Amino acid sequence: EVQLVESGGGLVQQGGSLSLSCTASGFTFSNYWMSWVRQAPGKALEWVGNIKHDGSEKYYVDSVKGRFTMSRDNAKNSLYLQMNSLRVDDTAVYYCARDRPLGSYSHYTLDVWGQGTTVTVFS
Amino acid sequence: DIQMTQSPSSLSASVGDRVTITCRAGQSISTYLNWYQQKPGKAPNLLIYAASSLQSGVPSRFSGSGSGTDFTLTISSLQPEDFATYYCQQSFSARSFGQGTKVEIK
Repeated sequence: EVQLVESGGGLVQQGGSLSLSCTASGFTFSNYWMSWVRQAPGKALEWVGNIKHDGSEKYYVDSVKGRFTMSRDNAKNSLYLQMNSLRVDDTAVYYCARDRPLGSYSHYTLDVWGQGTTVTVFS
Repeated sequence: DIQMTQSPSSLSASVGDRVTITCRAGQSISTYLNWYQQKPGKAPNLLIYAASSLQSGVPSRFSGSGSGTDFTLTISSLQPEDFATYYCQQSFSARSFGQGTKVEIK
């Protein structure tokens, strides 16, 4: 079964740090881009960033640039999100998702999602 | 960043109704447009990719259309399990989502 499982969420004070993990199973993790997506309570989905198969390219939404860092360990089938200088508005459920091209023209989709891990930043 | 705008933000409909949700991109994105369904407390689920291609396992009552800046998700006959929030998402440049459309029971 294709599966993603996030962990590492919790309660952290504003300005603090937290590291999230996402462990993949059921597919060849090293063949895929991976994304992080978050959802603040009662709000819409927000793409946080993604990382290439080999970790050589990374892209972030402007609101987290310079504070969040994605990495991966393909030998461990794992994706990571290091979050520093956390703000109250970073409070959200964080999902990892497989970022996979589908169709004739490699239309990228988020086709497999984890169950999410909750990050709460308090002041 | 490419801004995605959905309309309406919410709608009320009955079982059996035909439902249409619109998504507009801030610039042309060709057909690099996906649709997701999300139920409360659950992760999103991919419905439509490349604007009009049905993801495997998704019922055929779901369909998508459009290209450039204007896109539509249609549910031909709303079923009880379709009450959820729907998001469009572009993959033309990085990624970004619309603000969501909540489909509620009338």
